[in-house]
Amino acid sequence: DTGVSQNPRHKITKRGQNVTFRCDPISEHNRLYWYRQTLGQGPEFLTYFQNEAQLEKSRLLSDRFSAERPKGSFSTLEIQRTEQGDSAMYLCASSLTSGSRADTQYFGPGTRLTVL
Amino acid sequence: GDSVTQMEGPVTLSEEAFLTINCTYTATGYPSLFWYVQYPGEGLQLLLKATKADDKGSNKGFEATYRKETTSFHLEKGSVQVSDSAVYFCALSKSGGSNYKLTFGKGTLLTVNP
Repeated sequence: DTGVSQNPRHKITKRGQNVTFRCDPISEHNRLYWYRQTLGQGPEFLTYFQNEAQLEKSRLLSDRFSAERPKGSFSTLEIQRTEQGDSAMYLCASSLTSGSRADTQYFGPGTRLTVL
Repeated sequence: GDSVTQMEGPVTLSEEAFLTINCTYTATGYPSLFWYVQYPGEGLQLLLKATKADDKGSNKGFEATYRKETTSFHLEKGSVQVSDSAVYFCALSKSGGSNYKLTFGKGTLLTVNP
């Protein structure tokens, strides 16, 4: 079990550029979540996948944000035309589908985005 | 909507002191409750959880009891160590279908001095 991995760990970009982050969940986990964490705040839910299906999106996920999980394994989160307000830590988490641990999410180290 | 309120930090303690971090929640139904910890430069790690009223979660000397009557899940440790210095997050989840999305509090920074 190698845990949840995220790449890159840090990303600095200029306003207006597009960025893409990748998350590799724990291999047997079918559920995958994206969260955003700003300084001094707890993580906030962005979106959720079960296998390749994106089943829920938060109102925080504007039209500039898109997430995919094409084969039900890794996921990508893309932000188009970045704004300074997008600067945050983007966290990925995964969990099992059933059983007593279905409600337990395992988090990756996050990708810290800085928009200049 | 669902929400979690936790004790504002920062909290600064001396080694071997007793720790309490208060957490209360607002939610309909029967959420599961969690404490996550974030050490400097690392991701969130699950510390403990409780899934129903009166359950006690425990791990690494930390404990929290699910109190439905007071909608609380306070984190306690009898004797903190320098290595416990971290940010602690209280969170809840409810199954909305298959989505167990977490709702977090703002976090409490704990610093333990030798």
